[in-house]
Amino acid sequence: NAGVTQTPKFQVLKTGQSMTLQCAQDMNHEYMSWYRQDPGMGLRLIHYSVGAGITDQGEVPNGYNVSRSTTEDFPLRLLSAAPSQTSVYFCASSLLAGGPYEQYFGPGTRLTVT
Amino acid sequence: KQEVTQIPAALSVPEGENLVLNCSFTDSAIYNLQWFRQDPGKGLTSLLLIQSSQREQTSGRLNASLDKSSGRSTLYIAASQPGDSATYLCAVSRGSQGNLIFGKGTKLSVKP
Repeated sequence: NAGVTQTPKFQVLKTGQSMTLQCAQDMNHEYMSWYRQDPGMGLRLIHYSVGAGITDQGEVPNGYNVSRSTTEDFPLRLLSAAPSQTSVYFCASSLLAGGPYEQYFGPGTRLTVT
Repeated sequence: KQEVTQIPAALSVPEGENLVLNCSFTDSAIYNLQWFRQDPGKGLTSLLLIQSSQREQTSGRLNASLDKSSGRSTLYIAASQPGDSATYLCAVSRGSQGNLIFGKGTKLSVKP
């Protein structure tokens, strides 16, 4: 299986543009999440989902939307890109929320907003 | 609010040395603690997960310990190799949602 996949790998946007970062997993994991990684800030949680149809906000949700219509996919939407959203975005998944389950991360999407 | 700290921020050692990376957290009410490795420009690779009821986990040359009461975990790397050079991240899971709170990492460089 492919694990957690993310597309695109790189993206450049102009301020005000919108786009969707794709995340998919083929491990039948219920829990999925999005993090952003910034120099000096570490990884911070944007949104997460404990199952299809259920999503919730993390630490830094402003400017981002998510939905979870299937178990496999968890797209992250930037509604109106801002330079402050320049970052590396990682999607992660685990079998279930909480408990003794490792989280697996995708390779990341490097986003630049000019 | 849970905070995770990793010391040192960077570490350079000669090949073959045994080394310890440290992770501390402020709230001992954690579900589990996970150690990751991140290579430059890459995603995170899970190394070890320690459940809150466990004291340690081992995988090959890696051994991670957990002391919940003191809010500390250590990652021990035996006989370090240049291929171990990477950033090592510690993260704690708190609450039933399973969301991770990360430290800022220790950047390890192993010199041949």
